[in-house]
Formats: sequence, C-alpha cells, structure tokens
Amino acid sequence: EVQLLESGGGLVQPGGSLRLSCAASGFTFNTYAMSWVRQAPGKGLEWVSALSGGGTNTYYADSMKGRFTISRDNSRSTLYLQMNTLRAEDTAVYYCAKTLGYNWNRAMDVWGQGTTVTVSS
Amino acid sequence: EIVLTQSPGTLSLSPGERATLSCRASQSVGSSYLAWYQQKPGQAPRLVIYGASSRATGIPDRFSGSGSGTDFTLTISRLEPEDFAVYYCQQCGGSPGTFGQGTEVEIK
Repeated sequence: EVQLLESGGGLVQPGGSLRLSCAASGFTFNTYAMSWVRQAPGKGLEWVSALSGGGTNTYYADSMKGRFTISRDNSRSTLYLQMNTLRAEDTAVYYCAKTLGYNWNRAMDVWGQGTTVTVSS
Repeated sequence: EIVLTQSPGTLSLSPGERATLSCRASQSVGSSYLAWYQQKPGQAPRLVIYGASSRATGIPDRFSGSGSGTDFTLTISRLEPEDFAVYYCQQCGGSPGTFGQGTEVEIK
C-alpha cells in the first residue's frame, strides 16, 4: 500500500525553525517528484514546494523562498521541509504529496494525513 | 504566478443533480498540467482529475473534466451523498504551482 506519513509539526515561536519529515512506503521513492502543500485554519490549499525525483531540481512558492528548504533522502524514502524564520502566517497543516511523475509538474496522487505547525508566542 | 479563479464559491444542490464547477486561469495552462482535488472536512485532499480530463484511480465515471487554455470545468453528472465536499483546481504548468480558492458543493 502506498503511504505517506508526516511528522515534525508542533508549536514554535515566531522567528523559530522546524523540520518536517515525510516517510514514504509502497512505491519506488526516487522515481517520483514530491511536494509540500499547506492549509491554514479554515482556508484553502496553498502549494509550498516541490522536488524532482533525483532531488536536483527544487521549486518554491514566492513567500517561502529563502526561508524554506525542501530536500529528500532517497536511501531512506524520506522527504523533508526545513522551515526557518517562521511567521504567524505559516501556521497551517502541512501535507506531503507524491506526484504522478519524476518531474514536479504533475498532479499529486497520494497525500499524507498532514502535520500541524503552529507559530505563536 | 498563474492565478486560478474558481466559481461559484458555493454550489447548493440535491443528490442526483448535476454539478458544474469552473476554474479560470490568468494565463494559458497546458491541459497536461491542470488537476482537480476533492477535500472533505478533516481529511487530506484526494486527486479526482489530472491532465484536465483523466480520472484518477478509483474515481467513478460520474466525474469528468474538460477544458483547455484558460477555462476548465469539473462536472459531476449525478451527485451522490459522498460527493458533497470542497473541490480545488490546481495548475502545475508553471512554477510556482497554484490552487484555486475552492468551490464548496453543499447539500441543498
């Protein structure tokens, strides 16, 4: 069974850092691009970042550039999102998602259940 | 950044009725790069349509997608109780990928 399991969310103060992880199973991890999508409380979906299957090409939403870093460890079938200089507006449920292909520009066909990040003092 | 505008914001319909959801892009999106997702309260999104018109695995054939360029449509031919949810369109043809604001299909 194809599965994604996020972890690493929690409460962090403004300006702080957090690293999210997403453990994948049930598919050949290094042949698919992976993405992060977030959803603020009561709001819609917001695309955050994506990474090609080999980990070479990265893509970010403008508001995350320079603060967030996406990476992957294909030997561990794990996706990461390093989040620095966090702001209150980064409070959201963060989902990791598998794309349909090796490159980022495909739909996301498998989603994790999400991990909650709360930025507050 | 490509902006996606969905309409209507809310669609109030009864089971058995037809639902037509619209997604308009601020610039042309290749059909291969347009997807629709369904999200129910407290759940992760679920892929419904990819490549503008291809149904994802396990999606019943009452769901169909169409469109090209800047105008795309998701149609649910006969609403079942489990179809009432929020639907989002998403483009991944240009970075950053973007979502529409969502259309809620609610029970009338």
